[in-house]
Amino acid sequence: GQQLNQSPQSMFIQEGEDVSMNCTSSSIFNTWLWYKQDPGEGPVLLIALYKAGELTSNGRLTAQFGITRKDSFLNISASIPSDVGIYFCAGQGGRDDKIIFGKGTRLHILP
Amino acid sequence: DGGITQSPKYLFRKEGQNVTLSCEQNLNHDAMYWYRQDPGQGLRLIYYSQIVNDFQKGDIAEGYSVSREKKESFPLTVTSAQKNPTAFYLCASRDRVSQPQHFGDGTRLSIL
Repeated sequence: GQQLNQSPQSMFIQEGEDVSMNCTSSSIFNTWLWYKQDPGEGPVLLIALYKAGELTSNGRLTAQFGITRKDSFLNISASIPSDVGIYFCAGQGGRDDKIIFGKGTRLHILP
Repeated sequence: DGGITQSPKYLFRKEGQNVTLSCEQNLNHDAMYWYRQDPGQGLRLIYYSQIVNDFQKGDIAEGYSVSREKKESFPLTVTSAQKNPTAFYLCASRDRVSQPQHFGDGTRLSIL
C-alpha cells in the first residue's frame, strides 16, 4: 500500500536554530498537509499545500509541495521552546481522496 | 466554539469488556474518521464514514465497531475481541473531499 517516509525520526536542536524535515513517497498526492501534535493532544493542522511547487508560510513555518508531487518539506526558523512536539506530514489523493500519514518527526529543544 | 469533542479523555477497560469512545463534531462535516496511535507507529485508520448511515473499514478494523446514525456523531466501540486495545484514539472530520482533516484531542484507553 501507499507509504510515506518521514525524516528525520527525531531531532535535538538548540533554541534559535532552524529546523528542516521532509516526507517522500513513491505515490503522487494531490494535497500535502503538515500537522503538529503536543503531548496528550490531537494533531493540529499547520499548513495545507494544494499545488505542485507551492511554497506556503505560516509565521516561522514554511512548507513546500514538491514539483514531482511525491515529496514535501517543512522548515521552522528560529526555533522556540513551544515548537517541541511531533510533526506529521500527510499526503492526500487517489480514490476517496485517502489520506496517508508519515510516522512523525519528534522535535526536542535542548536547554 | 466549533470543533471536535472526544470523551472521555481517559478510559479504562477490564478484560472481556466492551467500551465506547465518543466523538461529536459541530462543524457540519460530512466525513468522520477514527485513528489509533501507538508510540512510534504514527496514525493508523480504524474506520471512516463519508455520510450518515454508511461507514467503511480502515486498515485495522478488527476488534472495533462504529455507527453513524447522526451527522455530528461517530462513536467507536472497542470490543473484547481487540486483544491489545491500549492506545491513544483520535477522531477526525473533514468538510468534503480534498479538504484537510481536523482532529479532536483524543482518548487514552488503558487496560486494568
